[in-house]
Amino acid sequence: NAGVTQTPKFQVLKTGQSMTLQCAQDMNHEYMSWYRQDPGMGLRLIHYSVGAGITDQGEVPNGYNVSRSTTEDFPLRLLSAAPSQTSVYFCASRRLAGGAAPEQFFGPGTRLTVL
Amino acid sequence: DAKTTQPNSMESNEEEPVHLPCNHSTISGTDYIHWYRQLPSQGPEYVIHGLTSNVNNRMASLAIAEDRKSSTLILHRATLRDAAVYYCILRDVETSGTYKYIFGTGTRLKVLA
Repeated sequence: NAGVTQTPKFQVLKTGQSMTLQCAQDMNHEYMSWYRQDPGMGLRLIHYSVGAGITDQGEVPNGYNVSRSTTEDFPLRLLSAAPSQTSVYFCASRRLAGGAAPEQFFGPGTRLTVL
Repeated sequence: DAKTTQPNSMESNEEEPVHLPCNHSTISGTDYIHWYRQLPSQGPEYVIHGLTSNVNNRMASLAIAEDRKSSTLILHRATLRDAAVYYCILRDVETSGTYKYIFGTGTRLKVLA
């Protein structure tokens, strides 16, 4: 299993440009999510999905769109990049579980710089 | 949101035990306590989790206070590869009824050779 993969690893954008960060997992996990991590801070949840066709907002959703057309893929779209979106972005996946506590698997991250 | 409090940083000597504390005084009865760690330039990785009883796995042990308002992650013999930021996380219920994990700023563990 490749686990959770993210592309690209690094990206530099100019203010106002748009782009899509790719995330894929091969573990058949229902739940996928996107986090951002700013320097010296913990991770903040942007968007998440509990299955194909179902997405919802996290703590910091503004400026980002997501869609989930397949179980495997969960792309994150930046509509009009701003310097405040300079960050490291992590994708994660896990099983859905009612009362249990499934382990989350994280991708290696995408380091994004917006000039 | 259920929150956790951890020291910003700790140091340990190599091959000595490390006790990383976490306070979670607002924990609810159904919240699991999770620990993740983030090595430099990598995504977080799962370490251990528990609900009420102490837990052991190949990476670490988790000691949970009887009132569940605090917990301690124990690394039995720290190695240089254990230098990382350690996050203590409580599970929080999302509006959809699923669970999300609230990451704080964690404890940066420095291991001295």
